[in-house]
Amino acid sequence: GAVVSQHPSWVICKSGTSVKIECRSLDFQATTMFWYRQFPKQSLMLMATSNEGSKATYEQGVEKDKFLINHASLTLSTLTVTSAHPEDSSFYICSAPLGLNSPLHFGNGTRLTVT
Amino acid sequence: LAKTTQPISMDSYEGQEVNITCSHNNIATNDYITWYQQFPSQGPRFIIQGYKTKVTNEVASLFIPADRKSSTLSLPRVSLSDTAVYYCLVGLNNAGNMLTFGGGTRLMVKP
Repeated sequence: GAVVSQHPSWVICKSGTSVKIECRSLDFQATTMFWYRQFPKQSLMLMATSNEGSKATYEQGVEKDKFLINHASLTLSTLTVTSAHPEDSSFYICSAPLGLNSPLHFGNGTRLTVT
Repeated sequence: LAKTTQPISMDSYEGQEVNITCSHNNIATNDYITWYQQFPSQGPRFIIQGYKTKVTNEVASLFIPADRKSSTLSLPRVSLSDTAVYYCLVGLNNAGNMLTFGGGTRLMVKP
């Protein structure tokens, strides 16, 4: 069964609004979670590393003020896309390792469409 | 982080064995090799992971030569449902160092 749960699976919003995406680790604690973005027919691109109790680490070119990440507990990380624009429309995926020396497990992704 | 190179696409037929090779010439001593499968509009799913020689599980085998500069994912007797994109990742096997996805291989299984 799924070990990482993502919600919602899809969302449609209007330009200028904000959208929050949740990523939960099920039955395990994740001090670190990762957020990816995937455009159609392309590979996954790492956006940021979410660290429980501290600030997220963003990849080059990713605006931290636009993509707000909060990792307030050991089982939940949230990504908020602020002031969304149509170009933010994409597939957002989170992941977490089960533990040390463990592969990453991914959520099922969130399809964001900004109109 | 070691860069990976895979064929962009492959075609196969049901019941055949499929081998997808990934090149990772600058793999580091501590790096593990991990393969993921992704269906459209879903997150990647872990298939198999290895460090050297051969690893086998219920769905696939992973062959890694002695120099570890490449690896081959072997899918026995594929079915239509194995049509997906397969990604090879190389990196440290601890909290999230396998971060970078290459282009992946789009496998099409035909009837």
